[in-house]
Amino acid sequence: EAQVTQNPRYLITVTGKKLTVTCSQNMNHEYMSWYRQDPGLGLRQIYYSMNVEVTDKGDVPEGYKVSRKEKRNFPLILESPSPNQTSLYFCASSSYRLAGDQKTQYFGPGTRLLVL
Amino acid sequence: SQKIEQNSEALNIQEGKTATLTCNYTNYSPAYLQWYRQDPGRGPVFLLLIRKNEKEKRKERLKVTFDTTLKQSLFHITASQPADSATYLCAYTGGFKTIFGAGTRLFVKA
Repeated sequence: EAQVTQNPRYLITVTGKKLTVTCSQNMNHEYMSWYRQDPGLGLRQIYYSMNVEVTDKGDVPEGYKVSRKEKRNFPLILESPSPNQTSLYFCASSSYRLAGDQKTQYFGPGTRLLVL
Repeated sequence: SQKIEQNSEALNIQEGKTATLTCNYTNYSPAYLQWYRQDPGRGPVFLLLIRKNEKEKRKERLKVTFDTTLKQSLFHITASQPADSATYLCAYTGGFKTIFGAGTRLFVKA
């Protein structure tokens, strides 16, 4: 089954304790992206990756890091989490080699993060 | 900066009626727009993509229009059902960046 998986699904942590949220896709997609979703603000892009070892900032990259060492994985790293990073996080993937509707993004189930 | 605006107020309609959701964009001219559905606590799911030269696109009970003069896309669900209740998101991908609207919550009453 084609899918994007994220772990953990729920996480409670304290300010300053480094954490990593993993994301993996099994569709051989070149493009992967991280979003955060907050009430009233919708989905905002944090970072994206066009392919292995190629990443770039989205609209809200402050406080986050990413890496893309393998095509299927795109972890999101919070080196020193703060309460304003409490949010619902989504990973997504897409293929840019295909035309038309295949440009659409496939989303993971989300990770709900609470930073105390 | 590039921006997508959707009606933040929830839309309440009766089962069987047509729901119409609006997406307005400013400060850019997208080559295409996408519409997604999101259920509470779940990731968005792709519904339709429309290119700027397509004017209208249909898929089963769904219809999307694209008016480059008004800088607007309309999303219609005909013969709506309670199962259509969800949040609907409009999105634009320019280059490799994607911008989403905040979404419109739709409630379909039986």
